[in-house]
Amino acid sequence: DGGITQSPKYLFRKEGQNVTLSCEQNLNHDAMYWYRQDPGQGLRLIYYSQIVNDFQKGDIAEGYSVSREKKESFPLTVTSAQKNPTAFYLCASSIGVNEQFFGPGTRLTVL
Amino acid sequence: DQQVKQNSPSLSVQEGRISILNCDYTNSMFDYFLWYKKYPAEGPTFLISISSIKDKNEDGRFTVFLNKSAKHLSLHIVPSQPGDSAVYFCAAVGGFKTIFGAGTRLFVKA
Repeated sequence: DGGITQSPKYLFRKEGQNVTLSCEQNLNHDAMYWYRQDPGQGLRLIYYSQIVNDFQKGDIAEGYSVSREKKESFPLTVTSAQKNPTAFYLCASSIGVNEQFFGPGTRLTVL
Repeated sequence: DQQVKQNSPSLSVQEGRISILNCDYTNSMFDYFLWYKKYPAEGPTFLISISSIKDKNEDGRFTVFLNKSAKHLSLHIVPSQPGDSAVYFCAAVGGFKTIFGAGTRLFVKA
């Protein structure tokens, strides 16, 4: 079955630690995205990648980093520079710019 | 500055009746619009879309209407079912970016 997976489902981090969220897709999509969802807000774009070895900052990239070494993988690192990292993180992929397919999400909590 | 607004945080509808979810946008350069449905602790799933060259798109119980002059779109669900209870996000595409609204939580009462 084709799809997009994220791991872990829940992640706890101590202040000052970097953590990496995994996102893998076997849909053969060129484009991949990372969003953050906070209560009462829509999905805000952190980073996106249109092709392997290329990625662009979204609206809230500060304190985050990504890599796109393989077409199927787009990991997100939440660094200690991110002041308020507790949120629900969603990864998505797409062909072109229209319909996006989302993973199940990772809930990150900073202790 | 919210470019895509869903002004109703929640909506409650009786089973079998029509649900109408609304969305307003500010950027006239948006050329494609989508609705996504999201259950708790899951990722959104695509529901229906509409191109800016159309004013209506229908898929089973779901119909999306686009009024470009008013920069407004709406999602109609007829008849509403308890399984439709979820958060619905409106999204607009311009260039390579998709901008999401804050979502409307729909409750369908049996």
